[in-house]
Amino acid sequence: QKEVEQNSGPLSVPEGAIASLNCTYSDRGSQSFFWYRQYSGKSPELIMFIYSNGDKEDGRFTAQLNKASQYVSLLIRDSQPSDSATYLCAVDTGRRALTFGSGTRLQVQP
Amino acid sequence: DGGITQSPKYLFRKEGQNVTLSCEQNLNHDAMYWYRQDPGQGLRLIYYSQIVNDFQKGDIAEGYSVSREKKESFPLTVTSAQKNPTAFYLCASRLAGGNEQFFGPGTRLTVL
Repeated sequence: QKEVEQNSGPLSVPEGAIASLNCTYSDRGSQSFFWYRQYSGKSPELIMFIYSNGDKEDGRFTAQLNKASQYVSLLIRDSQPSDSATYLCAVDTGRRALTFGSGTRLQVQP
Repeated sequence: DGGITQSPKYLFRKEGQNVTLSCEQNLNHDAMYWYRQDPGQGLRLIYYSQIVNDFQKGDIAEGYSVSREKKESFPLTVTSAQKNPTAFYLCASRLAGGNEQFFGPGTRLTVL
């Protein structure tokens, strides 16, 4: 079982819709959870992180964490074509280095 | 400008050669990391360092070596023992006590 699992996609949504990206993790001791966006050929850029159960909102982005279910998600409201990228879920299990999922490719259709 | 720089952007290596990838940061970050990314895959941790003169192996350290003689610098050597080194190499850093890791632009290594 992979430590951090994501559906590889592609996830295709129309412009203006809500995109929902999901991630599960196996280590119950995981402490912090991160979402990165990666455009093709570029390095990942941090969108947001969350470490408490519940929701955390930042502009059009909302991260949701459920530690009991070992599940973290990212919602993107009013999706734009510029949001088309690969979204990487990453988990800090306490060693202060991140374990990444393989990413979900999002396509926003104009 | 504060940030993380990696050089070179592209690197070609012949089989059997060692090569060193540079990573420098002027963010005054304490921790530095090296990850490897293969096509269509997530990032895998090679080595990391929380403080100067100390570093730990990550999940795929075999065939790689690092040093951390200065806070700003964390070079990665890809040795000839690394059997499949062609990949995208990413360096990251983090402030002590902080949560966020920030990435450099990456080095794309190709073995000919």
